[in-house]
Amino acid sequence: EPEVTQTPSHQVTQMGQEVILRCVPISNHLYFYWYRQILGQKVEFLVSFYNNEISEKSEIFDDQFSVERPDGSNFTLKIRSTKLEDSAMYFCASTAGHTGELFFGEGSRLTVL
Amino acid sequence: AQSVAQPEDQVNVAEGNPLTVKCTYSVSGNPYLFWYVQYPNRGLQFLLKYITGDNLVKGSYGFEAEFNKSQTSFHLKKPSALVSDSALYFCAVRDTRNRDDKIIFGKGTRLHILP
Repeated sequence: EPEVTQTPSHQVTQMGQEVILRCVPISNHLYFYWYRQILGQKVEFLVSFYNNEISEKSEIFDDQFSVERPDGSNFTLKIRSTKLEDSAMYFCASTAGHTGELFFGEGSRLTVL
Repeated sequence: AQSVAQPEDQVNVAEGNPLTVKCTYSVSGNPYLFWYVQYPNRGLQFLLKYITGDNLVKGSYGFEAEFNKSQTSFHLKKPSALVSDSALYFCAVRDTRNRDDKIIFGKGTRLHILP
């Protein structure tokens, strides 16, 4: 069964460092998402990406965040200068169409020290 | 902007009893509604969705949900709970007005099934 894969599973970084989280969505999917979850609580929308551009973003997704789909398979989330409050589990998700359900990866846990 | 409310942080149910996890939503247009389950240290798994048609939708693991437009609700139900149903459950909504792409999640309800 096709699945969304995310790397790394856990990353520890120092405050102020850049971090890149990687995702390989399901191959025939067209819509791509990043969400974050702090301490196993609420799942917060960060950004959606369609047709090679951001379609929507939340207020959390400020200038420190960016997304890219560099090669037609990977979908990356970059945090330019990490803050302590960026510590969270980051989930990538994809879906085939507007009525489709999201398929989630297993997440990348980011710890900022 | 769309929103989702899950009024219960935790629901406790005895094994074998029916369970309900509540969800209400707010959208500008028509909603697409979803339920997901999350086990510890895992990603979210899709359970079921309502797009259009029958108000009662059936999904994975014996779960079902009923779309109620007048009450703007989409409660998750199961006739007979199993201990293995213990997990964190999320309701989610997409607003079809303006063809919004984002899907917004509720804060989650922790379900404890007591043996």
